[in-house]
Amino acid sequence: RKEVEQDPGPFNVPEGATVAFNCTYSNSASQSFFWYRQDCRKEPKLLMSVYSSGNEDGRFTAQLNRASQYISLLIRDSKLSDSATYLCVVNMRRSSASKIIFGSGTRLSIRP
Amino acid sequence: DGGITQSPKYLFRKEGQNVTLSCEQNLNHDAMYWYRQDPGQGLRLIYYSQIVNDFQKGDIAEGYSVSREKKESFPLTVTSAQKNPTAFYLCATIGDEKLFFGSGTQLSVL
Repeated sequence: RKEVEQDPGPFNVPEGATVAFNCTYSNSASQSFFWYRQDCRKEPKLLMSVYSSGNEDGRFTAQLNRASQYISLLIRDSKLSDSATYLCVVNMRRSSASKIIFGSGTRLSIRP
Repeated sequence: DGGITQSPKYLFRKEGQNVTLSCEQNLNHDAMYWYRQDPGQGLRLIYYSQIVNDFQKGDIAEGYSVSREKKESFPLTVTSAQKNPTAFYLCATIGDEKLFFGSGTQLSVL
């Protein structure tokens, strides 16, 4: 089983739709969680950190469920510019070392 | 400006040749990471280093080697043992729980 798993998609949704992604992780000791956005052949950009209490940034909402070991990202009122690959990132701390693991990414395509 | 510099942006490797990708940072971060990305795929961890003179294998270390002689530098060598080296390579550091990335190196085989 992969340490971090995502549905690869692609998700193809109309502009204005709401879309949600999930990501599961296997190591219960995982400490911190993030969603990154990546455009083709560019470096990933931080979209948002994910906290147990949930957090919202404009049209984006992230949630963490430690009991079920998954994180989610919800995008409301999607825009054409939201088309990208969304990467789930987990920081798995082992002793004093941080091991950063990426999911394989979920591709999102917004159509007019 | 603080950041991560990867070079070169594009690199071509001949059969049987070793090539080295450079990653330099002036963020004063301890931890540095190398990832490989294939088309349409996510990032896979090759090697990581938490401190100078120490590094650990990631999930796909075979055919690669690294060194960490200075805090600022974490070069990655793609050896001739890596039979399928064509990919996009990203270097990253972590500070204050945030990842910082270089702009990547696209490696291709001639």
